[in-house]
Amino acid sequence: DAGVTQSPTHLIKTRGQQVTLRCSPKSGHDTVSWYQQALGQGPQFIFQYYEEEERQRGNFPDRFSGHQFPNYSSELNVNALLLGDSALYLCASSQPGLPPYNEQFFGPGTRLTVL
Amino acid sequence: AQSVTQPDIHITVSEGASLELRCNYSYGATPYLFWYVQSPGQGLQLLLKYFSGDTLVQGIKGFEAEFKRSQSSFNLRKPSVHWSDAAEYFCAVGFYNNNDMRFGAGTRLTVKP
Repeated sequence: DAGVTQSPTHLIKTRGQQVTLRCSPKSGHDTVSWYQQALGQGPQFIFQYYEEEERQRGNFPDRFSGHQFPNYSSELNVNALLLGDSALYLCASSQPGLPPYNEQFFGPGTRLTVL
Repeated sequence: AQSVTQPDIHITVSEGASLELRCNYSYGATPYLFWYVQSPGQGLQLLLKYFSGDTLVQGIKGFEAEFKRSQSSFNLRKPSVHWSDAAEYFCAVGFYNNNDMRFGAGTRLTVKP
C-alpha cells in the first residue's frame, strides 16, 4: 500500500514566478492537508481539502491556493513567489472520521527554493 | 497566546544514554498530542500519540511519552538512545473541532558515539 506521495521532490523557481506542487493521498484517504516548513521551523498549516472544497485555512495569503480532484489527489499553487516562500512543503492525508480516526499521514515533501 | 513550546533547540546525548525531550502546550482545552520524527530531507513519521486514557503512551522505536495535564506537558522519553535516533523531533497538537495541527519548532537530537 503506497503511502502519501508528492511531486516533484525538488523545485527551483525565481521571484515572481508561479509553482504547482502535487500530492497523492494514501489509499482510502479522502482529506488532504498542506503544510509549509521553513528551514529550522516546525510545519505550519496552510489549508485542508475535503470533497474538493477548502475546508479550513491557516494564516497564509491568497497567493497560496489549492485544488482537490475527484480521485482525492491535490495541488498546491503559489503565485508571485517571494524569497520567503522557500521551504519544504508537506502534504498529509487522512481518512474520514473524528479523532482519533482521522490521523494525518505525511508525505516526504517538496523542497522549493526561490531565487 | 496559544502555542506549542519545545524549549530545547538542540540536545546531544551519548549512545546508550537515556533521553527526554520536552514539550509544553498552551491551549484552553486539552488537545490531542503527537510526537513526530524527521530525518534530514524526509517527511514526518509519527512516533506516538495521545487522545485519552492512560497518560503513559508507548510508541514505535522504543519511545514513550507521558501526558501531564497539571503541567500541560507531553515529554518524550527513551531509555537507551541509538545512533539511528539522530534526527529532528517535533511535538504537535490537534483539536476535535479543528482540522489543522500545530507544531513546535522542533528539537534536533545529536547522538555521540
